[in-house]
Parts: sequence; structure tokens; C-alpha cells
Amino acid sequence: GQNIDQPTEMTATEGAIVQINCTYQTSGFNGLFWYQQHAGEAPTFLSYNVLDGLEEKGRFSSFLSRSKGYSYLLLKELQMKDSASYLCAAMDSNYQLIWGAGTKLIIKP
Amino acid sequence: DTAVSQTPKYLVTQMGNDKSIKCEQNLGHDTMYWYKQDSKKFLKIMFSYNNKELIINETVPNRFSPKSPDKAHLNLHINSLELGDSAVYFCASSQVVSAVTDTQYFGPGTRLTVL
Repeated sequence: GQNIDQPTEMTATEGAIVQINCTYQTSGFNGLFWYQQHAGEAPTFLSYNVLDGLEEKGRFSSFLSRSKGYSYLLLKELQMKDSASYLCAAMDSNYQLIWGAGTKLIIKP
Repeated sequence: DTAVSQTPKYLVTQMGNDKSIKCEQNLGHDTMYWYKQDSKKFLKIMFSYNNKELIINETVPNRFSPKSPDKAHLNLHINSLELGDSAVYFCASSQVVSAVTDTQYFGPGTRLTVL
């Protein structure tokens, strides 16, 4: 079956760095997405990886290892506004997104 | 300009009623989706649709049906509403070109409460 695993909740301190891990199992693979979702709002796109390696975009970076079925989202210089849920989603061979349940990130001052 | 819009934002109704949620995208995308996000915040795909193919998640009850009057709209009709249908429903769209996948853009969501 197809499955996405990520931690349910994480806590970090303002100004620090946090890494949110995601492992996936899909029928075929067409890339790994990370989305941010603030409470009561729609998910918004953060990153897309289809090749192995690290993609950096400002304070956020995303890493992919296809051989390990593993990705992580790295958030640097954490700000209070980064408190949100972070959703990992893998795209299967039919271009359907398989979603994780999301990791709720709590930022403390 | 809003890229993906949904109406209504909130919908409260009685069990057994029939209701519709509308979705429109002005991005020129070919593919649209409906998702259900339950109280545990898990996003579950219900339908994906483009001008060629409707893909239905087999676990979705046939009380739910998508209707697409044109490429920019994908409405969700729900018959005989049940308590378990209470959730937030998100519409999304994307442009899939050849083997290159594009991101999905989400609407603001419709919070459905069935009493």
C-alpha cells in the first residue's frame, strides 16, 4: 500500500533550526512536496523535490533521498509565524498526491 | 485576484439534506481536485478531474459527485448528508504537463457541519 509517515507534533524555539522528517512508500514516484498549513487556512506550497539532494529556498530547505524513501524539511531562523502544520505529500505514478497527516510545529519564544 | 475560490466558506445543514460546494480557478489549469480534511487534519483525495478523465477515490461514497460545467469549475454535490461528512473540503488545481508535475493550488476551504 501507499503510505506517508511524519511526526505528529514538534516543538522548537524562536531563532532555532528544526528538521521535519518524512518517509514515504508509493506506487511509482513523481516527486515529493511540502506544504504549510496555518490553522483554519488552506495548504500553501513550500517545495518540490524529484531529484536526490537539497533544495534551498530562503529560510526553508528540503532534502530528498529516493533510494531511502525519505525527505526532510529544514526550517532555519525560526519565527513565531512559522507555527503551522507541515504536510508531506508524495506523487505516485498516476500523478496523484499521497498525503501525510501533517506535523504540527509549535514555536516557543 | 483569487486563484482558486470556493463558496460557501461555511455550510451548516441537517442530516439527510443535499448540498453543493462550488469551486472556480482562474489559473488556466487543466486539472482540479476535491479533498476532505477531517478533524485529525488528514488530507484525503476525493476526486481529480481534467478534461479527459475523472479519477475517483474508491473509498468515497457515491453520495458525493463532482460536476464540471467547464474547465475552470469543479463543483461538489453531496446527497443525503451524514454526520460523518462534517469536515473541511478543499478544492485545488494544478497543471500537469507531460512528465513535469506542477504544484497544486488550494482554495480557502469550505467548513461543512452536519447536524
